[in-house]
Amino acid sequence: EVQLVESGGGLVRPGRSLRLSCAASGFPFDDHAIHWLRQAQGKGLEWVSSVSWNSAITDYADSVRGRFTISRDNAKNSVYLEMNSLRPDDTALYYCARSSTPAAELGGWFDPWGQGTLVIVSS
Amino acid sequence: DIQMTQSPSSLSASVGDRVTMTCRASQDIVTFLNWYQQKPGKAPQFLISSASVLRSGVPSRFRGGGSGTDFTLTITSVQPEDFATYFCQQSYRTPLTFGGGTKVEIK
Repeated sequence: EVQLVESGGGLVRPGRSLRLSCAASGFPFDDHAIHWLRQAQGKGLEWVSSVSWNSAITDYADSVRGRFTISRDNAKNSVYLEMNSLRPDDTALYYCARSSTPAAELGGWFDPWGQGTLVIVSS
Repeated sequence: DIQMTQSPSSLSASVGDRVTMTCRASQDIVTFLNWYQQKPGKAPQFLISSASVLRSGVPSRFRGGGSGTDFTLTITSVQPEDFATYFCQQSYRTPLTFGGGTKVEIK
């Protein structure tokens, strides 16, 4: 079964850091790019970041660029999102999702998604 | 950024009804348009790629269409398990963006 499992969420004060993890199983991990997306409570979906199969290509939403860093370890079938200088508007459920393409090329889609990990940024 | 606008934001339907929702892009995205279904408390699930290609296992009552800037998702005969929120997403240009969703509720 293809599966993605996020972890690392929690309550953190503004300005602090958090590292999310996404563990993948059930498919050839290094054939696919991986994305992080988020959804604030009762709100829509926002793409956050992506990393290509070999880590050569990364991309970020403007709202997180310079604060968040995506990385992956193909030996561990895992992707990470290092989040620094967190702000209250980063509060959301964070999902990782498999890309349909190896380098997150345009024209792809997200399938499947993990169950999400909740990040709350509050003092 | 490419803005995606979905309408209506919600609709009520009875089991067996035909429902159609729309997604409009702020610029031409050809057919680089995907659809997802999200049920309460669950992660989104991929339904349709390239505007009209059903994911394997998705029932044929789901139909996607359109090109350019205007797209539709139709459920030809709504079933109890179809009551959910549906999101469109463009994959034409980064940042990848989503519509605000259409919630399909039971009448």
